Amino acid sequence: AQSVTQLGSHVSVSEGALVLLRCNYSSSVPPYLFWYVQYPNQGLQLLLKYTSAATLVKGINGFEAEFKKSETSFHLTKPSAHMSDAAEYFCAVSVSSGGKLIFGQGTELSVKP
Amino acid sequence: NAGVMQNPRHLVRRRGQEARLRCSPMKGHSHVYWYRQLPEEGLKFMVYLQKENIIDESGMPKERFSAEFPKEGPSILRIQQVVRGDSAAYFCASSPSDANTGELFFGEGSRLTVL
Repeated sequence: AQSVTQLGSHVSVSEGALVLLRCNYSSSVPPYLFWYVQYPNQGLQLLLKYTSAATLVKGINGFEAEFKKSETSFHLTKPSAHMSDAAEYFCAVSVSSGGKLIFGQGTELSVKP
Repeated sequence: NAGVMQNPRHLVRRRGQEARLRCSPMKGHSHVYWYRQLPEEGLKFMVYLQKENIIDESGMPKERFSAEFPKEGPSILRIQQVVRGDSAAYFCASSPSDANTGELFFGEGSRLTVL
């Protein structure tokens, strides 16, 4: 069975600092991996996705994530945090096309001025 | 090109009433997924439907909950005899019939409050 674990339910950084949100997955077959962002009272918006092409994936708003099979990780990073990055971030895994996504429990990112 | 449309955005019900949540997928999408987000929790998969078929309902509670996606019209998530524990945000997502990456497109959610 597939699963996703996000380390840290709350992360706080200063504006301009590095953002690192951790995600580890469990899957018996090569997975598709995703990061979604949710702003308050809104739906989820796709940030980026890994689909077995390049291991370093670039997404919107300056975010990127690196797929590391040896570590079963897919951590999300951004070099310099902006106040507008404050939101909830979800890592998700899917193992088949057209199939459901399994989400992690989410990490709330706070950005201090 | 409209995205995934959910209505109502907010719904208030008293215990014992029925709640009906509607979802119109993106144009050209024939796969619909329903997720539930409880306060301070992540999204939990409920059900996956294609037109007129339930493909995976492994996340649906055994009682009071049902879902459909008819040939014509939106997908509907129905909750009978609601209880306070049903208060949550319910998100619908869709994907195209020929999806090959598993990406889902989400609506803005329907927030159910049970008094």
